[in-house]
Amino acid sequence: GAVVSQHPSRVICKSGTSVKIECRSLDFQATTMFWYRQFPKKSLMLMATSNEGSKATYEQGVEKDKFLINHASLTLSTLTVTSAHPEDSSFYICSARDGFSGLYGYTFGSGTRLTVV
Amino acid sequence: AQSVTQLDSQVPVFEEAPVELRCNYSSSVSVYLFWYVQYPNQGLQLLLKYLSGSTLVKGINGFEAEFNKSQTSFHLRKPSVHISDTAEYFCAVSNSGNTGKLIFGQGTTLQVKP
Repeated sequence: GAVVSQHPSRVICKSGTSVKIECRSLDFQATTMFWYRQFPKKSLMLMATSNEGSKATYEQGVEKDKFLINHASLTLSTLTVTSAHPEDSSFYICSARDGFSGLYGYTFGSGTRLTVV
Repeated sequence: AQSVTQLDSQVPVFEEAPVELRCNYSSSVSVYLFWYVQYPNQGLQLLLKYLSGSTLVKGINGFEAEFNKSQTSFHLRKPSVHISDTAEYFCAVSNSGNTGKLIFGQGTTLQVKP
């Protein structure tokens, strides 16, 4: 089945530094990737949608300059949290959608726990 | 705009008892509906999905859900739960548009007690 690999699973960084999270589709071409943020005991909040080769579409209220998304290939999308602050600490999850095979499904990565100290 | 409401934030149930997790959606267009399970500090695993066809959908781990268009519901059921079913469950909806964004409900914590 479809597999999405997300790295790192956990990262601790100092306030003011940047952190990059990678999301790879291992056995399918991800035409669309989604990035979510999940607060403790809360639901997933969609941050942005990215299509390969084009700019990401951000949801209302999400700072595009703080959360940089790159979807340079059909198998890789990255989320960079720039100048991270403690309030950016959260669980980030990516999801990839296969738009070619006709299978309408979303596959999720295992998530990244970001802690900013 | 689409939305999903999960009516119960927590559902405690004894092992081997049946369970129903409720989900209602709102949409003005055709929808695709999903149920996901999330274990602590992990991503989401698809339990089942409704795209079209039969309104009764069977998924993994003995779960099933029924799409009810008139009541705009997609409740998840399992006839007999196990301790290992303890987790967070999310209902989600996607439209048939180009972006196909997945919108999640608030989640329901299923607590299975021995």
